[in-house]
Amino acid sequence: DGGITQSPKYLFRKEGQNVTLSCEQNLNHDAMYWYRQDPGQGLRLIYYSQIVNDFQKGDIAEGYSVSREKKESFPLTVTSAQKNPTAFYLCASSIGIDSTTYEQYFGPGTRLTVT
Amino acid sequence: QKEVEQNSGPLSVPEGAIASLNCTYSDRGSQSFFWYRQYSGKSPELIMSIYSNGDKEDGRFTAQLNKASQYVSLLIRDSQPSDSATYLCAVNGAGGFKTIFGAGTRLFVKA
Repeated sequence: DGGITQSPKYLFRKEGQNVTLSCEQNLNHDAMYWYRQDPGQGLRLIYYSQIVNDFQKGDIAEGYSVSREKKESFPLTVTSAQKNPTAFYLCASSIGIDSTTYEQYFGPGTRLTVT
Repeated sequence: QKEVEQNSGPLSVPEGAIASLNCTYSDRGSQSFFWYRQYSGKSPELIMSIYSNGDKEDGRFTAQLNKASQYVSLLIRDSQPSDSATYLCAVNGAGGFKTIFGAGTRLFVKA
């Protein structure tokens, strides 16, 4: 089955620790995205990548880092510099920049709790 | 700041009725418009895409786009309790790579 996987589903960390969230897709999509969703709020873009070995900051990149070494994988690291990291993190992908559409498909999400 | 605005709701409709969800956007150059459904605790699921003015129908769902008024809507006919969810409107601007999401409208369908 084609799709996007995120792991783990739930993650608990102590304040001051870095944590890496996994995102893998087998849709052969060029573009991948990370969003954060807080209760009762819309999605906010953290980082996006249009192609392997390239990525761009979104609207709330501070305290986060990413890598895109493989087309299929776009891991997100939440660093200790992120002031309020507890949130629902969503990874998405779309066909890419040479498509006339930008339909994004989401993974199941990772719910991160930092105490 | 490019924005996508939705009424947060909740919108409550009886089973079998038509649910009408509305969205306005600020970037006049926007070209791609999407509706996502998000059940509580789950990730968003794409249900409709629309790119040109007018109506687009898919089963019980109809998306309507009016670029002159910068308005996009989603109609759900014969609403079912399983349609109860938050519906997110999303818009891509000119040059279209970044998608801006609205905060969503919560829909309750009463049995």
